[in-house]
Amino acid sequence: DVKVTQSSRYLVKRTGEKVFLECVQDMDHENMFWYRQDPGLGLRLIYFSYDVKMKEKGDIPEGYSVSREKKERFSLILESASTNQTSMYLCASSVGPRNTIYFGEGSWLTVV
Amino acid sequence: QKEVEQDPGPLSVPEGAIVSLNCTYSNSAFQYFMWYRQYSRKGPELLMYTYSSGNKEDGRFTAQVDKSSKYISLFIRDSQPSDSATYLCAMSAKGAAGNKLTFGGGTRVLVKP
Repeated sequence: DVKVTQSSRYLVKRTGEKVFLECVQDMDHENMFWYRQDPGLGLRLIYFSYDVKMKEKGDIPEGYSVSREKKERFSLILESASTNQTSMYLCASSVGPRNTIYFGEGSWLTVV
Repeated sequence: QKEVEQDPGPLSVPEGAIVSLNCTYSNSAFQYFMWYRQYSRKGPELLMYTYSSGNKEDGRFTAQVDKSSKYISLFIRDSQPSDSATYLCAMSAKGAAGNKLTFGGGTRVLVKP
């Protein structure tokens, strides 16, 4: 089974803090993604990466950056957390032409 | 208008009934279609995958794709309380950069014992 692991399930951070959300996948997938999920807005793509050190902006990249130094690891960075970034963050990975994406369990971030 | 439309529900059914879910979409380039199930406070898990048009069956689940109508469906037979969850449709175009998926907003389903 594909395993996508998000190291932090629940975090509480203060406004202005720098926040790192880490994600690791164990299936050698080329593609990795960060989404946020909010009630009424569904899943929105923040950033994705199709190779090591490669990244592409998704639909809502403002206020976020990412890092992919190794194939299995994709980090989401909130440079200066704000209250409107309180959300559930989902990491995912995929490979090949089937385009099926596998998700982690999610990280619940509260910014106070 | 959203690229993928999905009724948010909630859809409430008695145990044993058939659950019928659907999504409509506007992008004719979509060729890969998926259904995900998401339990509360968990990540989505892949349920069904279909390429292009047609039907696919897996146990109690049947996925249908009608590309001519830009309409996909998921049917759950003999529904159980454990099927209570939010169901998300997702789709992508062939060759989409990074296999990028476009999701519907999800339909919340409640199966009552």
